[in-house]
Amino acid sequence: DTGVSQDPRHKITKRGQNVTFRCDPISEHNRLYWYRQTLGQGPEFLTYFQNEAQLEKSRLLSDRFSAERPKGSFSTLEIQRTEQGDSAMYLCASRPRTSGYNEQFFGPGTRLTVL
Amino acid sequence: AQSVTQPDIHITVSEGASLELRCNYSYGATPYLFWYVQSPGQGLQLLLKYFSGDTLVQGIKGFEAEFKRSQSSFNLRKPSVHWSDAAEYFCAVGLNYGGSQGNLIFGKGTKLSVKP
Repeated sequence: DTGVSQDPRHKITKRGQNVTFRCDPISEHNRLYWYRQTLGQGPEFLTYFQNEAQLEKSRLLSDRFSAERPKGSFSTLEIQRTEQGDSAMYLCASRPRTSGYNEQFFGPGTRLTVL
Repeated sequence: AQSVTQPDIHITVSEGASLELRCNYSYGATPYLFWYVQSPGQGLQLLLKYFSGDTLVQGIKGFEAEFKRSQSSFNLRKPSVHWSDAAEYFCAVGLNYGGSQGNLIFGKGTKLSVKP
């Protein structure tokens, strides 16, 4: 299967710890998005990469959050000094180079629980 | 500002009955519209999309949606619901101007329950 993959699927951590999530997009997709989904809400945009360049960041992405896509392939999202409010599902999506229509393919998500 | 409204938080239908999930959007340009489905604990699967042209679009799993510009709506329909359709459904608009890089704005979702 060549869909978007995310790792880990679940993460439980204590408040104040750092966590890192990984996303592997569909191989020929050069555009990658991160979203956050809290309980009872739709996904909210966090940040966007085109190849290795981070081109857009939401105001939701506080300075405790950092994302990278060092070689334009997989991406990581790190949260430093986690807070209970960071508990959410973190979704990654990728989009093909040829799509001018925002069509995005989502991974299964990483569920973060901060105790 | 761009927004998507799904007025129904939770809908219950009987198996075999028809279904319509409502979606209204607010957007300053020609919208790119999507419906996604999410099963519990899972990511989002694309059901269908509208970019331009025919306002009635067909998707996977027997779903269709109709774009009505005058009503700013993009309602999802299915003529006969199956128990496996129980899930949460999200409507989204794709941002495509003003320097945006194409991220999606989602509604809050409608949870569908199916009675046997």
